Amino acid sequence: AQKITQTQPGMFVQEKEAVTLDCTYDTSDQSYGLFWYKQPSSGEMIFLIYQGSYDEQNATEGRYSLNFQKARKSANLVISASQLGDSAMYFCAMRGGTGGFKTIFGAGTRLFVKA
Amino acid sequence: GAVVSQHPSRVICKSGTSVKIECRSLDFQATTMFWYRQFPKQSLMLMATSNEGSKATYEQGVEKDKFLINHASLTLSTLTVTSAHPEDSSFYICSALRTTGRNEKLFFGSGTQLSVL
Repeated sequence: AQKITQTQPGMFVQEKEAVTLDCTYDTSDQSYGLFWYKQPSSGEMIFLIYQGSYDEQNATEGRYSLNFQKARKSANLVISASQLGDSAMYFCAMRGGTGGFKTIFGAGTRLFVKA
Repeated sequence: GAVVSQHPSRVICKSGTSVKIECRSLDFQATTMFWYRQFPKQSLMLMATSNEGSKATYEQGVEKDKFLINHASLTLSTLTVTSAHPEDSSFYICSALRTTGRNEKLFFGSGTQLSVL
């Protein structure tokens, strides 16, 4: 069975500093995709970054980078130069091969950026 | 701009009535869409996978007769909550998968807050 684990219910970071949000996953599939989403209080889901299982390089999107360690089955999100607007819930998600395009989500991490 | 449109954003209904929620992909064709439910301060729980032209695939524990899903075209999926009850009150959010080469993005609608009185 596929599973996504986010062990940090809440994280604090000082403005302008970097922060790492942890995500581990479990799947027997060889082909899968990993996503990170941001959900502000408005409820919308904002796509941040995607990493395919066959991608050899870590994905980057502006201030977001994904530290993909396939052997350890981890896909941590790194946010550099944190901004006050980064305060939100962050969800790690996985789309597995045997599950078709089904995408499951972790429990989420609430990030608080301090001024 | 938004690439997935979800409507309505908020609905209040009486117990026993049915509510339809629409999810549209605006600038791409989506053969697969997903419907999620989210309780306050919790994660998104996948309810079902909506497949264009075929029956939806429901997750374990989700009543298919309660939550009717129709994916009649490549850009539209609908979720109908039939005979709604207060326990159905929740935030419902749809998503559509766009694949470009080896790159994938799962776009979400803005969600629908359902309140059943």
